Amino acid sequence: QVQLQESGPGLVKPAETLSLTCTVSGASISHYYWTWIRQPAGKGLEWIGRLYTSGETNSNPSLKSRVTMSLDTSKNQFSLRLRSVTAADTAVYYCARDGMSGLDYWGQGTLVTVSS
Amino acid sequence: QSVLTQPPSVSGAPRQRVTISCSGSSSNIGKNAVNWYQQLPGKAPKLLIKYDDLLPSGVSDRFSGSKSGTSASLAISGLQSEDEADYYCAAWDASLDGWVFGGGTKLTVL
Repeated sequence: QVQLQESGPGLVKPAETLSLTCTVSGASISHYYWTWIRQPAGKGLEWIGRLYTSGETNSNPSLKSRVTMSLDTSKNQFSLRLRSVTAADTAVYYCARDGMSGLDYWGQGTLVTVSS
Repeated sequence: QSVLTQPPSVSGAPRQRVTISCSGSSSNIGKNAVNWYQQLPGKAPKLLIKYDDLLPSGVSDRFSGSKSGTSASLAISGLQSEDEADYYCAAWDASLDGWVFGGGTKLTVL
């Protein structure tokens, strides 16, 4: 059974960098695309970006200048860094597997609050 | 402002059938497959429909999907209280080169 688990600080100060890691079990991250999604409280889903083992990445144009994503195949993990955060970046952040037919496995989500 | 357009809410009585619409454009729904996700309160989204109308393993056949042109629909028959959730449509957008979502539709079972 494929499982994903997000981890990282729940509180980030404005203008600093949000860093999250997603640990994957039950599947190798050497296959498939791996994706980050976020959801502000009471609002809809926003795709942040995805990455593949080859290093290929796609990012939401609205966030692209602030987003870095990376893979650590030795730990079966992938990571997100979002720079220069503001209160508008406060959201539940999800990691998910992009099985090409859809986002078929999701983490439980982690709340990140941007506040001083 | 979401790229895909869904009604904010729908409702229906137990055992009834409801549909949720999703409208897009030629760069997303008109070109690529539509997926639907169900998000129960306080939970992560779950893939409900893939490739426009296919049910992933374990999903009840009370759910069905369809697509025509740049619009798609999700139908839920035999409504049950446990179907109360938010439903999102999604498609790959060729212009944005990324996944786009609808704003979500809240289903209330009366």
